[in-house]
Amino acid sequence: SQTIHQWPATLVQPVGSPLSLECTVEGTSNPNLYWYRQAAGRGLQLLFYSVGIGQISSEVPQNLSASRPQDRQFILSSKKLLLSDSGFYLCAWSAGHEQFFGPGTRLTVL
Amino acid sequence: KQEVTQIPAALSVPEGENLVLNCSFTDSAIYNLQWFRQDPGKGLTSLLLIQSSQREQTSGRLNASLDKSSGRSTLYIAASQPGDSATYLCAAFMDSNYQLIWGAGTKLIIKP
Repeated sequence: SQTIHQWPATLVQPVGSPLSLECTVEGTSNPNLYWYRQAAGRGLQLLFYSVGIGQISSEVPQNLSASRPQDRQFILSSKKLLLSDSGFYLCAWSAGHEQFFGPGTRLTVL
Repeated sequence: KQEVTQIPAALSVPEGENLVLNCSFTDSAIYNLQWFRQDPGKGLTSLLLIQSSQREQTSGRLNASLDKSSGRSTLYIAASQPGDSATYLCAAFMDSNYQLIWGAGTKLIIKP
């Protein structure tokens, strides 16, 4: 069966510091991968998606970036965090028309 | 542009009641519609997925319906329990861009 992992589970970072969140999927190959952000009291916002290694599509211009160095690894990064980057970050995978989500990372920028 | 709306934003009912959560979408050209559950501080759990050609799907006490012509889906929860308390999200999968369009969710509280 397929599983999706995210780490860290929680993160507290100062403004201006770098960020690296990691997502890995097991039990499937060549999945589509997604990064979402969920701000407090708001819906999910698609940040990036990837249909293959090295292929990244950005949905929202911002100071975040994503990379897919391996088939089942998806990384969300920032060089300098802003206060507005605080939120709950969710990684998801799909092999068709259904998405499955990881446990999420709670990021607080102080 | 597809928009997905969930009403009500919050709902509180006594344990044991049957209830309906609503989801509406503006563009009927969807591939499928998914219902998810999210517990506080947790990720999303997929509950039911309805293909565009289907009218409903059932899993245990949950039943989801889909009416593409009217742009509506409902999630019916029978004999509600305190453990059903969570935020319920619906999302429409658009075949045009392979993306999910999300509602803002309904926060459900089941009172013991």
